[in-house]
Amino acid sequence: KNEVEQSPQNLTAQEGEFITINCSYSVGISALHWLQQHPGGGIVSLFMLSSGKKKHGRLIATINIQEKHSSLHITASHPRDSAVYICAVLETSGSRLTFGEGTQLTVNP
Amino acid sequence: DAGVIQSPRHEVTEMGQEVTLRCKPISGHDYLFWYRQTMMRGLELLIYFNNNVPIDDSGMPEDRFSAKMPNASFSTLKIQPSEPRDSAVYFCASKPPNSYEQYFGPGTRLTVT
Repeated sequence: KNEVEQSPQNLTAQEGEFITINCSYSVGISALHWLQQHPGGGIVSLFMLSSGKKKHGRLIATINIQEKHSSLHITASHPRDSAVYICAVLETSGSRLTFGEGTQLTVNP
Repeated sequence: DAGVIQSPRHEVTEMGQEVTLRCKPISGHDYLFWYRQTMMRGLELLIYFNNNVPIDDSGMPEDRFSAKMPNASFSTLKIQPSEPRDSAVYFCASKPPNSYEQYFGPGTRLTVT
C-alpha cells in the first residue's frame, strides 16, 4: 500500500463543473502539498497546509489531520485547469516529500 | 528572483556516457532537493541537502548516481555511466529556512538511448 494515495487517477469534466480530488495518507505529517503539473511543464505549488482550509481563487484545499485525508476542490472548472494534480506529504520524521501518483484532470469546453 | 534554475532543459545521450545535471537554487534557500519523475514510478526523492551537506541520499538508485553541492548556489547530479532506464525528468527544488514550502525548477528531461 502506498503511503500516499490519490483518487481518482483520471477525471474528465465539462467546463463549469465542480471538481474534487482526494488524497489519503498513512504516515504522520508536518504538512501536505497540492502541486499542479501541466503537460511538458514544470511543477507549481498550489497549496501547502497543515490544518483546516485554504482558498485561492477557484481552488480550495482542505485537510483533516485526524482522518489523514485532504481534498482539492476546483469550482467553475475551465479547460485551462487541465493538468496533473499531485498530493505530497512532508513526513514528520524529516524533510522528505512523499508523493501520490497524481490525478490527471481533463476539462472539456 | 528568477526561481530555481536547471540546466540543461533537455539532454539526449547515448548509453554509457556521463551526464551532469545542474541546479541553481533560489538565493537564501538552505535546502535543495533532487527528484526524478518517470511514468512508472511518478515523482521520487533522490537526495536532499541542508546548508550544502547531504542529509538523505537513500533515494539514489545506485552507485552510478552521485550529487554534490559545493556551495549554496550550485548543485550537480551526475550519472556515470548512464543507462536507458535513467531516462526521466529530473527536478531540482529548494526551500527557504523555517518554511515547509518547496519551489521547483523547470526540470531536465533526460533521454538515454
